[in-house]
Amino acid sequence: GENVEQHPSTLSVQEGDSAVIKCTYSDSASNYFPWYKQELGKRPQLIIDIRSNVGEKKDQRIAVTLNKTAKHFSLHITETQPEDSAVYFCAASIPGGYQKVTFGTGTKLQVIP
Amino acid sequence: GAVVSQHPSRVICKSGTSVKIECRSLDFQATTMFWYRQFPKQSLMLMATSNEGSKATYEQGVEKDKFLINHASLTLSTLTVTSAHPEDSSFYICSFGLAGGNEQFFGPGTRLTVL
Repeated sequence: GENVEQHPSTLSVQEGDSAVIKCTYSDSASNYFPWYKQELGKRPQLIIDIRSNVGEKKDQRIAVTLNKTAKHFSLHITETQPEDSAVYFCAASIPGGYQKVTFGTGTKLQVIP
Repeated sequence: GAVVSQHPSRVICKSGTSVKIECRSLDFQATTMFWYRQFPKQSLMLMATSNEGSKATYEQGVEKDKFLINHASLTLSTLTVTSAHPEDSSFYICSFGLAGGNEQFFGPGTRLTVL
């Protein structure tokens, strides 16, 4: 099955700096890569996603890049703010009737004011 | 976006009892649903997947007789933890998917504590 690795597990940045989280996946059939933000005790919130026919996608301060050849994708958060502090999960989904999503191990981001 | 509710939000039970968790999609009909379990400081681990009208497919290591999943309709799914034990204490989250789509819509989660 699909295996998604995520690094780093924890990340501390100064407010205003950029944060980068990296993930790799194992199944070349995966074609959908969402990123989720999860605050303590709450559900994951989709913050951005990318499909395999696109190399990069940006939404305001958040961007995601995908390298299909290397099976690698990254989340970039610019101009970080304290409210960005949370746990971030990458995920990969294989096409098919069930659209099963495999999550990465998570990155705890702390933005220091 | 699509709204998913989950009930109860928190439950505390004694060891050996059974607990039922309900997950409802409030404004859409979903063909596929997923149940996840999340232990503290860990990732979401998929427990099972099902399409409406068919039996759930359980992930390796998840006991189907212990975690009973009923995808009753396109808007309702239930997870029953039978004979719960302290090691079943976790955060359980459901999600629904739409036919032909990739995005999943998550419920708010249920915190289960087994004493």
